[in-house]
Amino acid sequence: RKEVEQDPGPFNVPEGATVAFNCTYSNSASQSFFWYRQDCRKEPKLLMSVYSSGNEDGRFTAQLNRASQYISLLIRDSKLSDSATYLCVVTLGNDYKLSFGAGTTVTVRA
Amino acid sequence: DVKVTQSSRYLVKRTGEKVFLECVQDMDHENMFWYRQDPGLGLRLIYFSYDVKMKEKGDIPEGYSVSREKKERFSLILESASTNQTSMYLCASSSPAASGYTSTDTQYFGPGTRLTVL
Repeated sequence: RKEVEQDPGPFNVPEGATVAFNCTYSNSASQSFFWYRQDCRKEPKLLMSVYSSGNEDGRFTAQLNRASQYISLLIRDSKLSDSATYLCVVTLGNDYKLSFGAGTTVTVRA
Repeated sequence: DVKVTQSSRYLVKRTGEKVFLECVQDMDHENMFWYRQDPGLGLRLIYFSYDVKMKEKGDIPEGYSVSREKKERFSLILESASTNQTSMYLCASSSPAASGYTSTDTQYFGPGTRLTVL
């Protein structure tokens, strides 16, 4: 079983729509959680950390559900520029290692 | 501005060749990482280094080695390239949080090297 699993998508949504997707992780000892964004043919970049209480950054909302071992990302009022692959990242803590999901592709159309 | 650079964007090598991939960061980061990214598999950690001359195996170190002689430079070496090493290779760096050594620091990635082994 993969450590981090994501629905690959693609999620095709119109501008202005809300899109949400999840990521599940297998290790219950996981401590830190992140969403990275990767544009086509570009390197991954940190989008946001995911906190236990949930957190929001503009149009992006991240949630953590430890009991069911998943994190989620919700994008409101989608923009064309939100088209990208979103990578779920999980760490065990003090071991330098990040475990990446394979990514969820979102395409926002005009 | 944060900067991680990789020596080549595209490389084509032949089976059996020795391949060097170079990564340089200008942020004075202690930690550096090499990943490969393949469709459907995500990023997989090959090796990482948390200090000069220090290295640790990641999840898929077989067929690779690394070198870190200077803090800013981390090299990935394919001793004898094989076709199953055709992939996108990404270098990243990070700095330990002030509270201690942790992997939760933001990793900054280079643009990647797309390696094709024929």
